[in-house]
Amino acid sequence: GQNIDQPTEMTATEGAIVQINCTYQTSGFNGLFWYQQHAGEAPTFLSYNVLDGLEEKGRFSSFLSRSKGYSYLLLKELQMKDSASYLCAVMDSNYQLIWGAGTKLIIKP
Amino acid sequence: DADVTQTPRNRITKTGKRIMLECSQTKGHDRMYWYRQDPGLGLRLIYYSFDVKDINKGEISDGYSVSRQAQAKFSLSLESAIPNQTALYFCATSPGKEVGQPQHFGDGTRLSIL
Repeated sequence: GQNIDQPTEMTATEGAIVQINCTYQTSGFNGLFWYQQHAGEAPTFLSYNVLDGLEEKGRFSSFLSRSKGYSYLLLKELQMKDSASYLCAVMDSNYQLIWGAGTKLIIKP
Repeated sequence: DADVTQTPRNRITKTGKRIMLECSQTKGHDRMYWYRQDPGLGLRLIYYSFDVKDINKGEISDGYSVSRQAQAKFSLSLESAIPNQTALYFCATSPGKEVGQPQHFGDGTRLSIL
């Protein structure tokens, strides 16, 4: 079967750095997406990785290792507004997105 | 104005009622999707449509039906609602065949079935 694993919840301090991991087992691979979702709101797109390595976008970076079935989202200089759930999703061989359950990130002052 | 608009935003109804959730988009995207989201679970795909004449079942289509009335409109129906269909429902769109294009979500419909 297809499976995406992420930690359920993480806590970090304002101004610090946090890494959210995602491991996956899917039927084929056409890229991995990270989305941010504030409580009760729509998911919004953060990043896309299809090749191994690190993609940097301001305070957010995303890393992919296809051989390990592993990705992480790195958030730097954390702000209170970063408190949200972070969703990992993999596009499989049928070009369908398989979603993880999301990681709830709590930022403390 | 929102690019992907869902109506209604909230709905409370009773078991056995027929309910329609509507989605319209101004992004010009060919592909549209319906998901449901439950606490502790990932987004689960109900139905998807690659164009007006192409509609496909997703992971959890039982108890649901859809209609693609136009490129811009995709409706989800619950023929006879039951309490375990209580969830947050999202419509999403994406462009055509390009790999790596993200899906864009509406603001969601919170549905409660009593």
